[in-house]
Amino acid sequence: GDSVTQTEGLVTLTEGLPVMLNCTYQTIYSNPFLFWYVHYLNESPRLLLKSSTDNKRTEHQGFHATLHKSSSSFHLQKSSAQLSDSALYYCALAGNYKYVFGAGTRLKVIA
Amino acid sequence: ETAVFQTPNYHVTQVGNEVSFNCKQTLGHDTMYWYKQDSKKLLKIMFSYNNKQLIVNETVPRRFSPQSSDKAHLNLRIKSVEPEDSAVYLCASSLDWGASQNTLYFGAGTRLSVL
Repeated sequence: GDSVTQTEGLVTLTEGLPVMLNCTYQTIYSNPFLFWYVHYLNESPRLLLKSSTDNKRTEHQGFHATLHKSSSSFHLQKSSAQLSDSALYYCALAGNYKYVFGAGTRLKVIA
Repeated sequence: ETAVFQTPNYHVTQVGNEVSFNCKQTLGHDTMYWYKQDSKKLLKIMFSYNNKQLIVNETVPRRFSPQSSDKAHLNLRIKSVEPEDSAVYLCASSLDWGASQNTLYFGAGTRLSVL
């Protein structure tokens, strides 16, 4: 079946350093959508960005990700981490009437 | 701006009791969901409803029963709660069923603690 793998459970970064959260997926669906959702403490999870276009960079609120179908990856990046980026980040795959979430990566940004 | 509303925010109860959670969305979406976020923050789909009809029922214990009066409301009842039911229950909605590009809109969640 479909699956999403986020290898890091916790990423701790110093403010100002670049962010990279890994996401790889497996699916038999030929045209999946990949998503990043962000869940701040005491708030609702919400969409950060999404894409289904191979090799096209998608950006939102300083974050970016590029879907690479050849490597089944959709890594989330940001050039410079801010304290306010501390949150739980979920990568998700949608295709064939089903949403599948990764286990989530907690990003902790410290001063 | 919040558009998926869940009540209550928190609920503490004892093993064996019955609990009910409510969810309402004001987005005019056709599809609603219940997700369980466990202590390890894993998000697991429990139920999917489209136009108040049950579409997906994942492997969920029978003590869980969803109820939908119309497409804007999706409630969740747990009959006889057990300790492993302690979790955050997240309600979500999407525009319609089956379109893989649809964004999920989540409520703030109901945190259940079973003593």
